[in-house]
Amino acid sequence: SQTIHQWPATLVQPVGSPLSLECTVEGTSNPNLYWYRQAAGRGLQLLFYSVGIGQISSEVPQNLSASRPQDRQFILSSKKLLLSDSGFYLCAWDRGNPYEQYFGPGTRLTVT
Amino acid sequence: GQQLNQSPQSMFIQEGEDVSMNCTSSSIFNTWLWYKQDPGEGPVLLIALYKAGELTSNGRLTAQFGITRKDSFLNISASIPSDVGIYFCAGQVTNTGNQFYFGTGTSLTVIP
Repeated sequence: SQTIHQWPATLVQPVGSPLSLECTVEGTSNPNLYWYRQAAGRGLQLLFYSVGIGQISSEVPQNLSASRPQDRQFILSSKKLLLSDSGFYLCAWDRGNPYEQYFGPGTRLTVT
Repeated sequence: GQQLNQSPQSMFIQEGEDVSMNCTSSSIFNTWLWYKQDPGEGPVLLIALYKAGELTSNGRLTAQFGITRKDSFLNISASIPSDVGIYFCAGQVTNTGNQFYFGTGTSLTVIP
């Protein structure tokens, strides 16, 4: 069976510090991978998605970036965090058609 | 981006009652997904719908893909306390690849 992992589970970072969140998927190959941000328990906003190694599509212009160095690894980064970057970050995957997305447990980021 | 209107925003019901919620879009979707999210966790996929008019059940949950392809409905029968959480709809727009758009969620509270 497939599982998706995210770490860390929680993170408190000062404004201006860098960020690296990691997501890995087990039990499947060549998944589509996604990063979402959720504010205040509602409304998932798609940030990035990737259909393969090194292929990243950005949905929202911001100071975040994503990378996919390996088939089942997806990383969300920032060089300098803003207060507005606080939120709940979710990684998701699907196999492609049919597009059923499965989410990881999330990372709670607080920027102080 | 696509707008998904999910209603109601919140519901307070007695244990044992049935629940209905819906999601509407200004665009035609080719896939609808329904998720449940518990506090501090990632959303869990409940039901996936792929054809207009399709009616699919998962235990006490039933979801339908509207015949106009612009809406979807989720019903929960005989609610129990563990049904508490936020329910999200997600839709995939025809011919835009693997992007899903999420509703703002329906918060369900079940009163024992």
